[in-house]
Amino acid sequence: QSVLTQPPSASGTPGQRVTISCSGSSSNIGSKTVNWYQQLPGTAPKLLIYTNNQRPSGVPDRFSGSKSGTSASLAISGLQSEDEAEYYCAAWDDSLNGPVFGGGTKLTVL
Amino acid sequence: QVQLQQWGAGLLKPSETLSLTCAVYGGFFTGYHWSWIRQSPGKGLEWIGENNHGGSTNYNPSLKSRVTISIDTSKNQFSLKLSSVTAADTAVYYCGRGRIPDIWGQGTVVIVSS
Repeated sequence: QSVLTQPPSASGTPGQRVTISCSGSSSNIGSKTVNWYQQLPGTAPKLLIYTNNQRPSGVPDRFSGSKSGTSASLAISGLQSEDEAEYYCAAWDDSLNGPVFGGGTKLTVL
Repeated sequence: QVQLQQWGAGLLKPSETLSLTCAVYGGFFTGYHWSWIRQSPGKGLEWIGENNHGGSTNYNPSLKSRVTISIDTSKNQFSLKLSSVTAADTAVYYCGRGRIPDIWGQGTVVIVSS
């Protein structure tokens, strides 16, 4: 069981907007910033969002992040077929004194 | 751009020691934390530990008794050793830059089987 809770699956049609939620607690999301990763099959996770809502260079602005209290969300607008992947949230956890991750959300583009 | 390239043995027997190395190319090595994370179907992404380059290490308590993460500044490399492995240690192991990595190695599949 992962410390951060994500829905196991999400789906949308091309062009749609989808959101993926990530729920934590006061020892992680509630007091720390959140990262989001995209993982394509057979590859390493790729940083998509850092510090709640910042995009690394090269990440399209279709991807956005937000945080409120002990939860965070990743939004993908203008959904494209290449967005089909697994998405993970992560945050530092003061109880563990290390990072914790969500269980991942598999996004299907219908 | 910065790239992390990792390698090490992929098939181990129970009780052996897992040994992986990660080389950092194209960027600064000093001033960063260097981490190891593993991913398995049963446990998802699991943090193993970090070395802050200044010699200070920080390990997941669940693995602390078996883990060593060391750094070789002269080679821009860092390494993971996990002793007394069991089938439960079967996973894809990733090296990464940062406490919550922004850049990841390509991953190494490690299978523990007799």
